[in-house]
Amino acid sequence: LAKTTQPISMDSYEGQEVNITCSHNNIATNDYITWYQQFPSQGPRFIIQGYKTKVTNEVASLFIPADRKSSTLSLPRVSLSDTAVYYCLVGDGGNQGGKLIFGQGTELSVKP
Amino acid sequence: EPEVTQTPSHQVTQMGQEVILRCVPISNHLYFYWYRQILGQKVEFLVSFYNNEISEKSEIFDDQFSVERPDGSNFTLKIRSTNLEDSAMYFCASRVGPLWETQYFGPGTRLLVL
Repeated sequence: LAKTTQPISMDSYEGQEVNITCSHNNIATNDYITWYQQFPSQGPRFIIQGYKTKVTNEVASLFIPADRKSSTLSLPRVSLSDTAVYYCLVGDGGNQGGKLIFGQGTELSVKP
Repeated sequence: EPEVTQTPSHQVTQMGQEVILRCVPISNHLYFYWYRQILGQKVEFLVSFYNNEISEKSEIFDDQFSVERPDGSNFTLKIRSTNLEDSAMYFCASRVGPLWETQYFGPGTRLLVL
């Protein structure tokens, strides 16, 4: 599984757009990029997944450059409730196991 | 929306006691997982389960741990003889298919070993 690197923490204010970048230099051809969100004392929650270019859903956008060695999670107009830890995961899960390997994640703090 | 449920939400036990953590995965899912998260640390993979057998297990998942799917709905994690270091949040997760698809996590069981 490809190793990922992301900032340990970020601060933002309500209403701002937040971009969290993840580096995954040794991403493999079959690997997807997935982001999870975790609130304190809760299980991780899937946010978005992509393979290349741009993916958008009702929660976030995911930008993936052509070389796929990094990705950026974009949260538009954050609110206090977006304060959480955000994890970038890379892998193909193609085997029957499909375990997820979590790093330390990025702790996002949204202030009023 | 279907969700993974876990019981109990909290459990306090004495060192050396057996605990069983229960999970009800989403009904049409075929792949099941247990993860744990020690307070202040990252989420760690314990074990994956498919077709009524363990697919993969981590170094953490030693002989003190076992998993079982006793019926068509429940998925359990048993710790035979708990240690203080087993104190953590335990998350169950499930996913529907074999490819890189979303894993859905339960709310967790907070285990405290005294």
